Amino acid sequence: NAGVTQTPKFQVLKTGQSMTLQCAQDMNHEYMSWYRQDPGMGLRLIHYSVGAGITDQGEVPNGYNVSRSTTEDFPLRLLSAAPSQTSVYFCASSFRQGAAYEQYFGPGTRLTVT
Amino acid sequence: AQSVTQLDSHVSVSEGTPVLLRCNYSSSYSPSLFWYVQHPNKGLQLLLKYTSAATLVKGINGFEAEFKKSETSFHLTKPSAHMSDAAEYFCVVNYGGSQGNLIFGKGTKLSVKP
Repeated sequence: NAGVTQTPKFQVLKTGQSMTLQCAQDMNHEYMSWYRQDPGMGLRLIHYSVGAGITDQGEVPNGYNVSRSTTEDFPLRLLSAAPSQTSVYFCASSFRQGAAYEQYFGPGTRLTVT
Repeated sequence: AQSVTQLDSHVSVSEGTPVLLRCNYSSSYSPSLFWYVQHPNKGLQLLLKYTSAATLVKGINGFEAEFKKSETSFHLTKPSAHMSDAAEYFCVVNYGGSQGNLIFGKGTKLSVKP
């Protein structure tokens, strides 16, 4: 199993550009989520999905869109990039939603918006 | 509001000496608790988890943590630090419920001196 994969590893955008961060998992996990990591802030939840066709907002959803058309893929779209979106983005998945299920993290995408 | 607090942003130890990384959580009800480690420019790896079984939890690489409900704590320990333990450590809580999402502490950076 490849686990959770993310592409690209690094990306530089200009303000106002749009892009999609890709996330895929091959563990047949129902639950997938996106986090951003900023220095001294830990990780904060952007959006999550409890299954194909179902998504919901997390703590910091503004400026981001998601969709979940398949179990395997959960792309994150930046509609109009802003410097405040400079961050490291992590995708995670787990077997089910719920307290007992550990989440598996991808390697991250480091995004810089100039 | 549900929260998790890592009491030290930075801990420095000498190689071969014990490690103690402290974590407290808010006590609305018994959550699941996790410790994750992040090495520089890497993703997050699960060290150990507590899900209401044994209160002393053993993890990978010689780490362990003890769940103390009376103190609402879940401190991470290791008897003897190794240079390869230098990393950032996150205490993470999952209170379950309708979202079942993770709440991250802000992280503790562990430095290990030779």
